[in-house]
Amino acid sequence: EAGVVQSPRYKIIEKKQPVAFWCNPISGHNTLYWYRQNLGQGPELLIRYENEEAVDDSQLPKDRFSAERLKGVDSTLKIQPAELGDSAVYLCASSLAPSRDTQETQYFGPGTRLLVL
Amino acid sequence: AQSVTQPDIHITVSEGASLELRCNYSYGATPYLFWYVQSPGQGLQLLLKYFSGDTLVQGIKGFEAEFKRSQSSFNLRKPSVHWSDAAEYFCAVLKAAGNKLTFGGGTRVLVKP
Repeated sequence: EAGVVQSPRYKIIEKKQPVAFWCNPISGHNTLYWYRQNLGQGPELLIRYENEEAVDDSQLPKDRFSAERLKGVDSTLKIQPAELGDSAVYLCASSLAPSRDTQETQYFGPGTRLLVL
Repeated sequence: AQSVTQPDIHITVSEGASLELRCNYSYGATPYLFWYVQSPGQGLQLLLKYFSGDTLVQGIKGFEAEFKRSQSSFNLRKPSVHWSDAAEYFCAVLKAAGNKLTFGGGTRVLVKP
């Protein structure tokens, strides 16, 4: 079974440029997550989708970050314009839909390593 | 709010020796706990998880972890380390509402020949 797919794997851009990351979750996984991992730290959640609805975007810097999951499958995370501090690894994860009484394991993709110069 | 502490930033171990990585959590309710491993340039791979039941959990690659509620700990162990175990290890606690994972800062494991 294919895992979470992300592209590109690496991206180098100059500050103030836009950048976009793409994620294809595991088949059948309704829930999709975007995380940011700064160097030497654990991942931090940016946004969570249930199907096409963003149900938790409280940690997403909305002035420059946006995300979409139009058909409830693939997702795109965009930064415009990028700043030097955005250099990090952006991880996508997916899971089955959690309910009030069940928790679901999140499976991660390989990430996109972004360097902003 | 939940939090996870991994006290050791780096650990160096000889190949064949045992390994123990510490994880302490702070969470008001029943914790759901995970260990993930991240090899250089890779995403996070799930090693094992604890939701309920037996407090000693077996995972992949010969790893195990023990949940100790009295100590708020979920330490990861491996009896004999292989060179391929060199990686960064992350402990995480899941907040049930929203299925939200909170990660520790990670422990980087170096394996000496």
